[in-house]
Amino acid sequence: AQSVTQPDIHITVSEGASLELRCNYSYGATPYLFWYVQSPGQGLQLLLKYFSGDTLVQGIKGFEAEFKRSQSSFNLRKPSVHWSDAAEYFCAVGRAGGTSYGKLTFGQGTILTVHP
Amino acid sequence: EAQVTQNPRYLITVTGKKLTVTCSQNMNHEYMSWYRQDPGLGLRQIYYSMNVEVTDKGDVPEGYKVSRKEKRNFPLILESPSPNQTSLYFCASSLDGSNSPLHFGNGTRLTVT
Repeated sequence: AQSVTQPDIHITVSEGASLELRCNYSYGATPYLFWYVQSPGQGLQLLLKYFSGDTLVQGIKGFEAEFKRSQSSFNLRKPSVHWSDAAEYFCAVGRAGGTSYGKLTFGQGTILTVHP
Repeated sequence: EAQVTQNPRYLITVTGKKLTVTCSQNMNHEYMSWYRQDPGLGLRQIYYSMNVEVTDKGDVPEGYKVSRKEKRNFPLILESPSPNQTSLYFCASSLDGSNSPLHFGNGTRLTVT
């Protein structure tokens, strides 16, 4: 069974500082990996995804993530955090093999607080 | 405007009283799914549908039913709600599966007393 672990429940950074949110997955084959962001009172929005190819993927809002197969990780990074980045971030894993697939497993989420 | 619409946004009910949460999307998406969000547990998938009349269980389907009679609608039915179903529920849709970008509704906060 596939699973996702986000080890950090809550992270606090200062505005302008760099950010790294951790994600570890468990899956028997090559996974599809995603990062979603949830602003308060809202649904989730896709930040970026990894399917294959270059292991460093770029997303919206200046975020990037790196797939490391040897570490089963897909950490999210941003070089300089803005106050508007304060939100909850979710890592998710789906099954590789095409887009027609139904099951998507989310991690527990990491709440990001940004101090001015 | 492309969107996923859930209703109601807030619902308080009592144990055992059947309820339905509606979900509708206007993007002609094939795939729709329901999730519940609980603190510390993230989002857990309840049911999903790859197409009309095709539904399948997610990770936590017990106590829930769904139907997909037409492409745009995917209601979530709680036949006999219990307090452990108190949660925040999200409907999502995508073009053709969970690996396509999901579009989420704004959520339904359900309280069962």
